[in-house]
Order: sequence, then C-alpha cells, then structure tokens
Amino acid sequence: DQQVKQNSPSLSVQEGRISILNCDYTNSMFDYFLWYKKYPAEGPTFLISISSIKDKNEDGRFTVFLNKSAKHLSLHIVPSQPGDSAVYFCAASNTDKLIFGTGTRLQVFP
Amino acid sequence: DTGVSQDPRHKITKRGQNVTFRCDPISEHNRLYWYRQTLGQGPEFLTYFQNEAQLEKSRLLSDRFSAERPKGSFSTLEIQRTEQGDSAMYLCATNIELNEKLFFGSGTQLSVL
Repeated sequence: DQQVKQNSPSLSVQEGRISILNCDYTNSMFDYFLWYKKYPAEGPTFLISISSIKDKNEDGRFTVFLNKSAKHLSLHIVPSQPGDSAVYFCAASNTDKLIFGTGTRLQVFP
Repeated sequence: DTGVSQDPRHKITKRGQNVTFRCDPISEHNRLYWYRQTLGQGPEFLTYFQNEAQLEKSRLLSDRFSAERPKGSFSTLEIQRTEQGDSAMYLCATNIELNEKLFFGSGTQLSVL
C-alpha cells in the first residue's frame, strides 16, 4: 500500500522556467511533509518542509504548497537551473518515521 | 566532516555470505534510522533506534536482518545468508527529535552476485 505517491516518474524543463513536482498521499494523519533531492550514488539531501498547519512554505527558489483537502503537495522551483537535475522525493510523517514516494527525475536542459 | 558517515560505500558479495554495514551518526543525534532503496523506488523504512533502543522494525526486515546500536552511538546492520533480492542501497539517517528532517548518509550500495 503506497501511502505517498509521485505519479510522474520524470519531468523535463528548460533552464529558467518553472519546475512543478507533484505528490499525493492517502493517510490523512500525516502532519509533516518534506522534499528531498538525490543525486546518483549519494544519499537524499533535505530541501524544504511544511507542517500541516500551513499551506505554503518558501525558501529561495523553492516553494512547497500543501492542499490538505486534496491530500496533495507540490514543489515549485523557479527559476530552474541545470544543477537542479536530480531525483526528487516527497516524504510524509505522522509519527516517528518518514514515508517516501517513488521519486520524480527532473532534467533541466539549457 | 560532521555528517552521517556510512561504511563501506560499496559491497559486492556472493549469495549466501554475510555482510555488515556501519553507520556513524551526527554526534548529538539520538535517533537513527535504516532505509533501503532499490532502483526506481523511494527509500523504504527498515528500522529505527532511539539511543540504544530499537523501537520499530518493518515487515521488510526478515529474520536474516539484524541491526544494533550498542552504545547509542554508531549502528550496524547485518544481513545473513544474502540473497540476490537484497541488492540495494542501504541508507542510514539520523535526527534529534520527532517530526524533524532526517540527515542521510551517502549509503552503502550492496550487490549480491
């Protein structure tokens, strides 16, 4: 049972444009959500998080939006840069561990 | 370097052999997690410790897997009688308290031939 879903396995965006990565979850008890970025042969690196009491959190070029009624969150990257090319995982938590989605591979081309 | 450290980075073994991985957490982090990631999947939770106490184990953690954190500092994950299906990246992550971001190590890539 996949509680956190990323339905787009890949996304290709031109440099300078907006990248939007989506994530859906099924467990309404989740109260903390995170995005991680992963390069090959490395561990995931934390990007940004949001608590369920908020609907938006921004950090530089990265903004996460949370729609609790739809059980949906998204990560916006503006402007996208070639160095953003990586696999992005969303994760959710309601207790003591994170549950990860399957990831979206983002490619930013010049 | 004060991040999470994992050793070895790569391990190639033959089916049926035992392997052991080590994780050294960030020093003040008392919560330590093991995850496994296979190609095309996200990290899957295996087990976690608060200090030396192992508080939860996933159904993914068969009897061939054992994890320890004897003094509440470093942790080891042992896989006995490895199978080809054990081939994956094994990730260690730590944090200080609940509902806080996890800091991941670089992982141990296991290949079982």
